[in-house]
Amino acid sequence: AQKITQTQPGMFVQEKEAVTLDCTYDTSDQSYGLFWYKQPSSGEMIFLIYQGSYDEQNATEGRYSLNFQKARKSANLVISASQLGDSAMYFCAMREVYTGGFKTIFGAGTRLFVKA
Amino acid sequence: DTGVSQDPRHKITKRGQNVTFRCDPISEHNRLYWYRQTLGQGPEFLTYFQNEAQLEKSRLLSDRFSAERPKGSFSTLEIQRTEQGDSAMYLCASSSPAGEITDTQYFGPGTRLTVL
Repeated sequence: AQKITQTQPGMFVQEKEAVTLDCTYDTSDQSYGLFWYKQPSSGEMIFLIYQGSYDEQNATEGRYSLNFQKARKSANLVISASQLGDSAMYFCAMREVYTGGFKTIFGAGTRLFVKA
Repeated sequence: DTGVSQDPRHKITKRGQNVTFRCDPISEHNRLYWYRQTLGQGPEFLTYFQNEAQLEKSRLLSDRFSAERPKGSFSTLEIQRTEQGDSAMYLCASSSPAGEITDTQYFGPGTRLTVL
């Protein structure tokens, strides 16, 4: 079973509008962390935002916010006021305990296209 | 303040040759990770160092792969007898001491390997 599921292979958004990128995860742990990364065509993974499983407030970082719904095991990324530079791949990731330690697992990503 | 750097950025090699990649983490970071990313997928964990100790290796890391971090600073990833299936982006990430779940990894630009 997939640990991290990103169901939208590609998304289009008009410049200056908001967009939500979906992420659902699968874990039986109580303590875990959720991350979003942006990967432009240059290839570098850029950290955007983090949400801990015990955090009661949704995380926000500038134009990025994480819509965390623990019971539904979803951690959607919301980008407000989209800019042309937001066009990139976006990866959702989860860090959890497993036998022997901790690991970070990434989803397959969503490609976002921002239209002028 | 420099980020994670990787060298080379691109490598083209013939099947059967050995290749070595280098990663220089953010200077105060004691954790260093190697990932492999193939087209259309998220990064897959390969191995992890805390200081100079290699604490974890994925089953993806076959006998042909070896990683070192001799002085707890830069790291090298060597692939011996390369195969066409090794063609991928190899990403390095580093993180500073933090809680295990909140460990935020910062990535380098990656090394794109093409095996002919």
